[in-house]
Amino acid sequence: EPEVTQTPSHQVTQMGQEVILRCVPISNHLYFYWYRQILGQKVEFLVSFYNNEISEKSEIFDDQFSVERPDGSNFTLKIRSTKLEDSAMYFCASTSRAAYNEQFFGPGTRLTVL
Amino acid sequence: DAKTTQPPSMDCAEGRAANLPCNHSTISGNEYVYWYRQIHSQGPQYIIHGLKNNETNEMASLIITEDRKSSTLILPHATLRDTAVYYCIVRAAFSGSARQLTFGSGTQLTVLP
Repeated sequence: EPEVTQTPSHQVTQMGQEVILRCVPISNHLYFYWYRQILGQKVEFLVSFYNNEISEKSEIFDDQFSVERPDGSNFTLKIRSTKLEDSAMYFCASTSRAAYNEQFFGPGTRLTVL
Repeated sequence: DAKTTQPPSMDCAEGRAANLPCNHSTISGNEYVYWYRQIHSQGPQYIIHGLKNNETNEMASLIITEDRKSSTLILPHATLRDTAVYYCIVRAAFSGSARQLTFGSGTQLTVLP
């Protein structure tokens, strides 16, 4: 069964460093998302992406964040200058039918900012 | 999006049906009810969704009341692997729109041996 994959599974970085989180969505999906979950808190939406541009973004997704689909398979989230409060699980999701929100999530990347 | 209310936690005996309630009294006519679950910090997993008719798939059944103000997710024979946080999300369907999901706190279901 096709699935969303994410790499790395765990990333440790120093405050102020740039990180890139990678996702490979399901191959025929067209809509892509990033969410995050700070330990013990709710899953929060960051950004959605369709047709090579951002569709929606939350207040969390400020100028330090960017997304890219550099080729036909990868979908990346870049944090330009990490802060301690960026420590969280980051989940990528994709769907072929945005209207019905059957989003398929990856296993997540745990980002730890020291 | 309509607000949902779920109990914070529930227990269920292994092999028995787990019935997870959700209230969504302000739901609009074009809003669907979605259920996702998250097993211990893994990525959320889609379970089922419905508009007004009851729905069943290989994972669960969704019962929506006639007035659509509440719904129940039923796991017919719960196993230990069904222990997870279950999220009820109400969302309109928009063709061609990449609308996000808004997760609440959900219900922590613990299946007991």
